Amino acid sequence: GQQLNQSPQSMFIQEGEDVSMNCTSSSIFNTWLWYKQDPGEGPVLLIALYKAGELTSNGRLTAQFGITRKDSFLNISASIPSDVGIYFCAGQPLSGSARQLTFGSGTQLTVLP
Amino acid sequence: NAGVTQTPKFRILKIGQSMTLQCTQDMNHNYMYWYRQDPGMGLKLIYYSVGAGITDKGEVPNGYNVSRSTTEDFPLRLELAAPSQTSVYFCASRSGHLNYGYTFGSGTRLTVV
Repeated sequence: GQQLNQSPQSMFIQEGEDVSMNCTSSSIFNTWLWYKQDPGEGPVLLIALYKAGELTSNGRLTAQFGITRKDSFLNISASIPSDVGIYFCAGQPLSGSARQLTFGSGTQLTVLP
Repeated sequence: NAGVTQTPKFRILKIGQSMTLQCTQDMNHNYMYWYRQDPGMGLKLIYYSVGAGITDKGEVPNGYNVSRSTTEDFPLRLELAAPSQTSVYFCASRSGHLNYGYTFGSGTRLTVV
């Protein structure tokens, strides 16, 4: 099946710093999604991207759908303590009747005061 | 506005025991999914359903079974629990329209000893 390589695996940053993480795939995706998971909870959708080259913002979060359709990045500006959690990228391949998502392995973000 | 509800939140099983993880959604979503999450491994698809009466295997279906008798419910059955099934299990759903965001439940943490 499709593989998503998400990096970095973990990040330790100071409050107020900007953060960047990305996902790459060997296959083409027609949708990229970014999720955040808080401890003990399920992932929650942050941003959805539907077109190659699309750049979308949600507050301090900005994500882009790569031109090649094989990658996406997520930026978080001016990080705050509540940004702590695991961030997952997810992609939907071109084919598949159930619109199954393939998930990256996650980026564990820690924000230091 | 319950969304996706999973029960139980925690469970400890002995090897060879069986149990059913419950999942209910009140959004009238056609598509439902079961994922397992192992540390540092992202989310792996176990089974999915595109509607009542229709189920299909995902990436890691061995040792599990599902049924979908109603739109709302999608239980996951473990027949002979094994230590390799120790994981956090997430149920998710999405509508059949152009909305690729899944709604996740809060998860069931299962330990097999």
